[in-house]
Amino acid sequence: AQSVTQLGSHVSVSEGALVLLRCNYSSSVPPYLFWYVQYPNQGLQLLLKYTSAATLVKGINGFEAEFKKSETSFHLTKPSAHMSDAAEYFCAVSVAQGAQKLVFGQGTRLTINP
Amino acid sequence: EAGVAQSPRYKIIEKRQSVAFWCNPISGHATLYWYQQILGQGPKLLIQFQNNGVVDDSQLPKDRFSAERLKGVDSTLKIQPAKLEDSAVYLCASSLDLNTEAFFGQGTRLTVV
Repeated sequence: AQSVTQLGSHVSVSEGALVLLRCNYSSSVPPYLFWYVQYPNQGLQLLLKYTSAATLVKGINGFEAEFKKSETSFHLTKPSAHMSDAAEYFCAVSVAQGAQKLVFGQGTRLTINP
Repeated sequence: EAGVAQSPRYKIIEKRQSVAFWCNPISGHATLYWYQQILGQGPKLLIQFQNNGVVDDSQLPKDRFSAERLKGVDSTLKIQPAKLEDSAVYLCASSLDLNTEAFFGQGTRLTVV
């Protein structure tokens, strides 16, 4: 069985500061890992995904994530936060590179302070 | 390109009533998903279709939930009878096939009172 744990249900940073959202996974097979963003009253949008091609994955809106097998982690970072980054972020794991069988974490709400 | 369309956006019903949600996926997308997102939790897959066939419905509470995708395009998700714990956002998503990115609709927020 696969699972995801997101550390911190709420993260607050100042505009321009580093954003770090933590995600640890559990998987019995080599995982595919995803980060999704959800803006208020919107559906989920894919930020980036790891499919074993490269451990450092770059996504949209300046976000990136690094797959660390030894730490079973896939943390999401952005060097400089923008007010528009305020949203809910979900880490997810799957046995496939597509959207099938996605298992989501509980989410982290990111707040940006002016 | 039009996105995934869902209706209604909001629905309030009393417990033991029935409710249905509708989803129109992106044109040409063979795979369709229904997720349940309870407040404070991540989405949970309820059912996955490939064209008009069910690929995975292992987490669908079949005693009260049903879904269909006639003709392999639009889909409906029904709850009968509804319980208080069914209050959630129901998200529909679609993808070209099983191995490609899924695009999500805005969801239907269901409140059961």
